[in-house]
Amino acid sequence: QVQLQESGPRLVKPSETLSLRCSVSGVSISNFNYHWGWIRQPPGKGLEWIGDIYYNGVTHYSPSLSSRLTMSVDTSKNHFSLSLTSVTASDTAVYYCARRGETAMVNPYFDSWGQGTLVTVAS
Amino acid sequence: SSELTQDPAVSVALGQTVKITCQGDSLRTYYASWYQQKPGEAPALVIYGKNNRPSGIPDRLSGSNSGNTASLTISGAQAEDEADYYCSSRDSSGNHLLFGGGTKLTVL
Repeated sequence: QVQLQESGPRLVKPSETLSLRCSVSGVSISNFNYHWGWIRQPPGKGLEWIGDIYYNGVTHYSPSLSSRLTMSVDTSKNHFSLSLTSVTASDTAVYYCARRGETAMVNPYFDSWGQGTLVTVAS
Repeated sequence: SSELTQDPAVSVALGQTVKITCQGDSLRTYYASWYQQKPGEAPALVIYGKNNRPSGIPDRLSGSNSGNTASLTISGAQAEDEADYYCSSRDSSGNHLLFGGGTKLTVL
């Protein structure tokens, strides 16, 4: 059974860096069938794709966040990470990590999700 | 365009059929996936690809596609289907992913 678990600080000050880790169990993060993604949801609002990473380190980032975003993967520890710099109050959200598959190698879907972690940006 | 558009809210009488739609140019090329989210919970995949259901998803949920529109149909809606539903797919460039704004489904 695949499980994903987000971890990291719940409170970040404005202008600082938000860092989260997603620990994966039940499947190897090196499985070539999957990418590993981050999605966020501001309180009371909809879902926003942040980006995703493949086991070999290839990343895809949301254009609106790419200038502040870095994702990394550690296959030896079976986890992947997100770093978002220069945060503001608008980055306050529940952050989810998720496993992404594809049908016919082009149609994406997120089939396993972490429980999510609320990160608040405030001084 | 780089958007997926959903109606903000839809309602359905208990036991009736409802269709939730998602519009976007990229849907002419890529299939959407659909997610159900209940309050306080993480989203859960309900439909992916042409019309695939993960194990445990009842067959009263189904997906379809026509032109620039993807649809999630719930046949014989149950009280437990009341939730927010999100579609997702690639943008027109194919390089990035998008979510629709979500549809709040109320079962009356």
